[in-house]
Amino acid sequence: GENVEQHPSTLSVQEGDSAVIKCTYSDSASNYFPWYKQELGKRPQLIIDIRSNVGEKKDQRIAVTLNKTAKHFSLHITETQPEDSAVYFCAASRGSQGNLIFGKGTKLSVKP
Amino acid sequence: NAGVTQTPKFQVLKTGQSMTLQCAQDMNHNSMYWYRQDPGMGLRLIYYSASEGTTDKGEVPNGYNVSRLNKREFSLRLESAAPSQTSVYFCASRTPGQLGSYEQYFGPGTRLTVT
Repeated sequence: GENVEQHPSTLSVQEGDSAVIKCTYSDSASNYFPWYKQELGKRPQLIIDIRSNVGEKKDQRIAVTLNKTAKHFSLHITETQPEDSAVYFCAASRGSQGNLIFGKGTKLSVKP
Repeated sequence: NAGVTQTPKFQVLKTGQSMTLQCAQDMNHNSMYWYRQDPGMGLRLIYYSASEGTTDKGEVPNGYNVSRLNKREFSLRLESAAPSQTSVYFCASRTPGQLGSYEQYFGPGTRLTVT
């Protein structure tokens, strides 16, 4: 079955710097890759997702890139702000029929 | 539109006790899921229901049972709770997919402690 590995497990940056979180997956049939943000004590919420027919997707300060050949995808946050501090999870699935397999999460801390 | 709701928010059980976690969604979603979240382990799928009337095991189903009561409701039951089941439990539902979004919407979670 699918296995998703996520690195790093913790990441600390200064406000205004960029943050990059990387994930690798094992199932070459996976074609949907979402990223969820979870603030302390709250539920996970989708922040951006990408499908395998595109290589990059942007939404304001957030972008996701996908390399299907290498089976890895990354989350990029630019101009980080203290409110970006949270745990971020990547996931992979086989589109509408597959279940999400999550990485173990990255705790991002943005220092003012 | 409440989205995904869960009850209770907190629960403490003694080893061997049973309980049912309730989940409901008002978004007319077909698929519903139960996850557990443990520190450093991410979200692990316990059971899912692709549509009303069907349920299937996920990654970590041992010790749990589920019921898809109708399209809105999906419950998780612990028959004989064990300390290893201490966790935060999230219910989620998903849009139909295919031509639509694949986004999963999560409930607020149930924090369960088994002593």
